[in-house]
Amino acid sequence: AQSVAQPEDQVNVAEGNPLTVKCTYSVSGNPYLFWYVQYPNRGLQFLLKYITGDNLVKGSYGFEAEFNKSQTSFHLKKPSALVSDSALYFCAVRDTNTGFQKLVFGTGTRLLVSP
Amino acid sequence: EPEVTQTPSHQVTQMGQEVILRCVPISNHLYFYWYRQILGQKVEFLVSFYNNEISEKSEIFDDQFSVERPDGSNFTLKIRSTKLEDSAMYFCASRGPDRALNEQFFGPGTRLTVL
Repeated sequence: AQSVAQPEDQVNVAEGNPLTVKCTYSVSGNPYLFWYVQYPNRGLQFLLKYITGDNLVKGSYGFEAEFNKSQTSFHLKKPSALVSDSALYFCAVRDTNTGFQKLVFGTGTRLLVSP
Repeated sequence: EPEVTQTPSHQVTQMGQEVILRCVPISNHLYFYWYRQILGQKVEFLVSFYNNEISEKSEIFDDQFSVERPDGSNFTLKIRSTKLEDSAMYFCASRGPDRALNEQFFGPGTRLTVL
């Protein structure tokens, strides 16, 4: 079965510093990977995806993610964190066992960016 | 920018009562999903819906749950007899017709509280 793991419940970073939110995956076949962000009292917002092609994927709000097949990782990164980036981040993988593409989510990582 | 909407934002009900959660997916989307997130836990898939029928459901989605697309715009989740453990945030999501565009777009969620 497809799964993703987010090993950190929380990541703390100072504004202006680079941030990394970790995700590792386990899939059969080619991985289709996603990052979503959840702000307080809001739904899940799509940030970026990896389907195929370049290992470095660029997404919304200056975020990017690096796909690493040998380490089965898909870490989310941003060169310079903003206080407004503070939110809950979810990594997800598309279930390829059916054609209807349900998402399997990780447990989420809370990012806190301090001023 | 088109978005998925959900009503109500918060529903409080007594155990054993029926609730209907409503969603309006993005207008040209064809694939619809319900997910739930119990407080402090990860987002879990409930059901996917395509071509006016359930395409996949999880083991959470038992006989107490049903989904319907009664008209061309609404997509509803009904829980016939709510239990305390149904208390969660319920998210609706939709995906477009292009199979190459894999991301799902989520609504803001309905927080269901069962007393």
